[in-house]
Amino acid sequence: NAGVTQTPKFRVLKTGQSMTLLCAQDMNHEYMYWYRQDPGMGLRLIHYSVGEGTTAKGEVPDGYNVSRLKKQNFLLGLESAAPSQTSVYFCASSWDRFHEQYFGPGTRLTVT
Amino acid sequence: TQLLEQSPQFLSIQEGENLTVYCNSSSVFSSLQWYRQEPGEGPVLLVTVVTGGEVKKLKRLTFQFGDARKDSSLHITAAQPGDTGLYLCAGVYAGNMLTFGGGTRLMVKP
Repeated sequence: NAGVTQTPKFRVLKTGQSMTLLCAQDMNHEYMYWYRQDPGMGLRLIHYSVGEGTTAKGEVPDGYNVSRLKKQNFLLGLESAAPSQTSVYFCASSWDRFHEQYFGPGTRLTVT
Repeated sequence: TQLLEQSPQFLSIQEGENLTVYCNSSSVFSSLQWYRQEPGEGPVLLVTVVTGGEVKKLKRLTFQFGDARKDSSLHITAAQPGDTGLYLCAGVYAGNMLTFGGGTRLMVKP
């Protein structure tokens, strides 16, 4: 039982490059989330999904896209990376929006 | 400004001291969660409080939810170096998703 896993753990991109972050959970959770964490800002919700095939915008969605083709996977894409997207990205999953969220270990992304 | 304001932002204390961190809002929350995050890892849930005035204890940690369900506090008794980390409060209000505060970064020196 791995919980929530994220790949990659670290990535450096040049401005304008694209990449996809992969999140996988083995708890059969309906809800999945992508957050970014910046110093002093806590966790800010980028996008979330309430079930397979669904996605919705969170607090800071601009510059990101997501897909949830399978229940256990949630992908976060950056089409044209910008230095402002330098951050630590966390994926999480939960039964519903009220219950505990289980987090992955994070991906540290630097855009130069 | 964030919906959930945490204070203080940083706290550095000696082992054995007591401390309290606060989580405040002008909104009413249906529930509030506290997480602890260690360096290089994701947050891990400590407790969920649901009822106004509720007090929950987890060993040396005491969590309180305000009567009006707009604020919460975390009190640590006799802090230990293992308590070092980032403490995050997060709440669910109205029909929204979980919202996180900015966090309190605690360092406990031996």
